[in-house]
Amino acid sequence: DAKTTQPPSMDCAEGRAANLPCNHSTISGNEYVYWYRQIHSQGPQYIIHGLKNNETNEMASLIITEDRKSSTLILPHATLRDTAVYYCIVRVVETSGSRLTFGEGTQLTVNP
Amino acid sequence: SAVISQKPSRDICQRGTSLTIQCQVDSQVTMMFWYRQQPGQSLTLIATANQGSEATYESGFVIDKFPISRPNLTFSTLTVSNMSPEDSSIYLCSGGDRGKTFFGQGTRLTVV
Repeated sequence: DAKTTQPPSMDCAEGRAANLPCNHSTISGNEYVYWYRQIHSQGPQYIIHGLKNNETNEMASLIITEDRKSSTLILPHATLRDTAVYYCIVRVVETSGSRLTFGEGTQLTVNP
Repeated sequence: SAVISQKPSRDICQRGTSLTIQCQVDSQVTMMFWYRQQPGQSLTLIATANQGSEATYESGFVIDKFPISRPNLTFSTLTVSNMSPEDSSIYLCSGGDRGKTFFGQGTRLTVV
């Protein structure tokens, strides 16, 4: 699995966009970028994943650079409930589910 | 998405005893996984629970310490055997479906 690098912590004001970066310079052509988050004392929650095109769902947007060496998760209007550890993971997608390797992630704190 | 339920949600156990954690998925998933999250740390994969065959363990984890069962496509158990205080962690079950992996809320284990 390709290694990812994320800042250990970030702050964001409530109502503003939160942009969480991730570097994955060794990503292979068949590896997807996944984002999960873990709110304190809960299990990780799937957010979004993509291969090379930008993706958007009801939770967030994922922007992947053209060379695929980095990506940004965007929470368009952060709320206090978005305070969590956000994990960027790269993995080959297996149709039956993916074995995930977690790094240290980014602690996002949304401030009122 | 799959809903994953774990039992118990928390427990306090005496050293030298064993605890079995149950994981139930509300739909059939081909792959199920067990993770450990030690205090203040990220998630570490223990093993992949294979239906109808022995689990596949990650480096540093052995079957005698963490026996796993997977009798069908919706259920798995993890046993933490001969516990010591160092086994105090959150244990999380996950299941994979169509490229996404979903997590239970975890079992918070304290060994005294």
